[in-house]
Amino acid sequence: GESVGLHLPTLSVQEGDNSIINCAYSNSASDYFIWYKQESGKGPQFIIDIRSNMDKRQGQRVTVLLNKTVKHLSLQIAATQPGDSAVYFCAENLSGSNDYKLSFGAGTTVTVRA
Amino acid sequence: KAGVTQTPRYLIKTRGQQVTLSCSPISGHRSVSWYQQTPGQGLQFLFEYFSETQRNKGNFPGRFSGRQFSNSRSEMNVSTLELGDSALYLCASSTGLAGGLSEQFFGPGTRLTVL
Repeated sequence: GESVGLHLPTLSVQEGDNSIINCAYSNSASDYFIWYKQESGKGPQFIIDIRSNMDKRQGQRVTVLLNKTVKHLSLQIAATQPGDSAVYFCAENLSGSNDYKLSFGAGTTVTVRA
Repeated sequence: KAGVTQTPRYLIKTRGQQVTLSCSPISGHRSVSWYQQTPGQGLQFLFEYFSETQRNKGNFPGRFSGRQFSNSRSEMNVSTLELGDSALYLCASSTGLAGGLSEQFFGPGTRLTVL
């Protein structure tokens, strides 16, 4: 499943399929980007980050892609599992390289179908 | 290692009152950030503290303030509460050390309801 374009608020994906969540950021000077997962009743949980000197970074079952030309960020989740159902946020850091001032996207609700 | 803790978890106040929320970061973390989360506005940055100093501030009115203590614990205060201040207030901590940003760990939040 894929949230196509700038942003779709919801994404429904079949268990076992790959998920792609898209995000547009606002500041071309931002140099640090993060994806968070938020489950109901909990605070956001760090998934993966990427700095502006990279265009791809891989973690466990997740990959983040950064396209600075069009200010676009995406999160790919391989072999989506029921536990991946959550709201996913992208965030860009508007401040310097050592301090935080995160600006969050609107979030995409991912629902995994059994 | 204990995570970020926030107290209280739930709070109900009336308009015009003030409120103080508390955040204890992960041991050894010196940077604490605060965020407001609402269905309409999403997650919005309030401020960040490091070594008792405010390093960054978001676009919130002066009714929102914070501070950090020498043990890195942080409090935020909202005075003259308005209905629109009803939200989940999240605290996040990180090491905050020079050399680049590190992962921020979020607490469970304080759910504030203003009546």
